[in-house]
Amino acid sequence: GDSVTQTEGLVTLTEGLPVKLNCTYQTAYSDVAFFWYVQHLNEAPKLLLRSSTDNKRTEHQGFHATLHKSSSSFHLQKSSVQLSDSALYFCALSDNTGYQNFYFGKGTSLTVIP
Amino acid sequence: DAGVTQTPRHEVAEKGQTIILKCEPVSGHNDLFWYRQTKIQGLELLSYFRSKSLMEDGGAFKDRFKAEMLNSSFSTLKIQPTEPKDSAVYLCASSRDWDEQYFGPGTRLTVL
Repeated sequence: GDSVTQTEGLVTLTEGLPVKLNCTYQTAYSDVAFFWYVQHLNEAPKLLLRSSTDNKRTEHQGFHATLHKSSSSFHLQKSSVQLSDSALYFCALSDNTGYQNFYFGKGTSLTVIP
Repeated sequence: DAGVTQTPRHEVAEKGQTIILKCEPVSGHNDLFWYRQTKIQGLELLSYFRSKSLMEDGGAFKDRFKAEMLNSSFSTLKIQPTEPKDSAVYLCASSRDWDEQYFGPGTRLTVL
């Protein structure tokens, strides 16, 4: 079946530095959408980015990600992190196989320190 | 549009009790999901409904967890009997036609 892998469980960075959160996936389907969700402490996960187009950069709130089907990746990046970016980040994919299959990675906890 | 609502926000139960969690999806959404969230396991799918029909019953969670969707605007998750290992945050999410999921604020369950 499909799967999503986020290699880092915990990431700690100093404010102002760049960040890259890795997301790779496995899927047997071509009609697939990819998502990054962000969950701040004691809040619900919220959509950050969405993409289904190969090699197209998607941006929102200073974060960006590019789907690369050749390497099965959808990494999340930001050039300069802020304290408010401290949160849990989930990568996910959804394949349209007649009924929705939605797969989440285990999440990466990002902590930004002054 | 109102988002996904979940009640209660916090629940404390004794081992062996039956608890029922409630969820109201976003109006017009035809997909509804129940997840359990823990730090170790992340998000685990418990149940998935499409247009009120149960599509996924969560495999390993079947024996004590039962989700129902009585109408398009209301779903419940029953845990019976509860065990301490069920302590977690339970999230409900809804979506429309294979698009992004909108999550509720969750119910934090503590089983003593």
